[in-house]
Amino acid sequence: GENVEQHPSTLSVQEGDSAVIKCTYSDSASNYFPWYKQELGKRPQLIIDIRSNVGEKKDQRIAVTLNKTAKHFSLHITETQPEDSAVYFCAAFYNDMRFGAGTRLTVKP
Amino acid sequence: NAGVTQTPKFRVLKTGQSMTLLCAQDMNHEYMYWYRQDPGMGLRLIHYSVGEGTTAKGEVPDGYNVSRLKKQNFLLGLESAAPSQTSVYFCASTLAGQAYEQYFGPGTRLTVT
Repeated sequence: GENVEQHPSTLSVQEGDSAVIKCTYSDSASNYFPWYKQELGKRPQLIIDIRSNVGEKKDQRIAVTLNKTAKHFSLHITETQPEDSAVYFCAAFYNDMRFGAGTRLTVKP
Repeated sequence: NAGVTQTPKFRVLKTGQSMTLLCAQDMNHEYMYWYRQDPGMGLRLIHYSVGEGTTAKGEVPDGYNVSRLKKQNFLLGLESAAPSQTSVYFCASTLAGQAYEQYFGPGTRLTVT
């Protein structure tokens, strides 16, 4: 089955800096790649997703890039704010959804 | 709309006991899912349902059973709980298929002693 690896497991940045989280996947047939944000004690919520026919997608301060050849995709958060502090999960879908282990992002004011 | 709700929010079981977790959604979604979340392991799919009366196994189905008798409800059962099933359980739903935004419930924290 699909295997998704996510790096780094923890990331600390200063407010206003950029944050980048990277994921790799194993099944070249995977065609949907969402990113979820989970605040402490809360449910995961979708923040952005990308399909395999697109190389990049942006939504305000958040962007996702996809490299199908290398089988990796990344989440970019610019101008980080303290409220961006959370655990971020990537996922890849082919026959079923597989999630990465998560990245704990801390934005220091 | 309440979205996706889960009952109960917390539960403590002794090894060997059984219980059922209830997930309900009021968004008329066809697909429903049960995940478990363990520290450092992300979310892992236990079972899912593509519609009323149908269920399928996910990545980690052993020790769990599910039923989808009504479109809006998805039940997760533990027949004989084990300490390895201590986890946070999330239910989710999508309108059509897994390759769409998943709407998660608030989670159930289960401890098996």
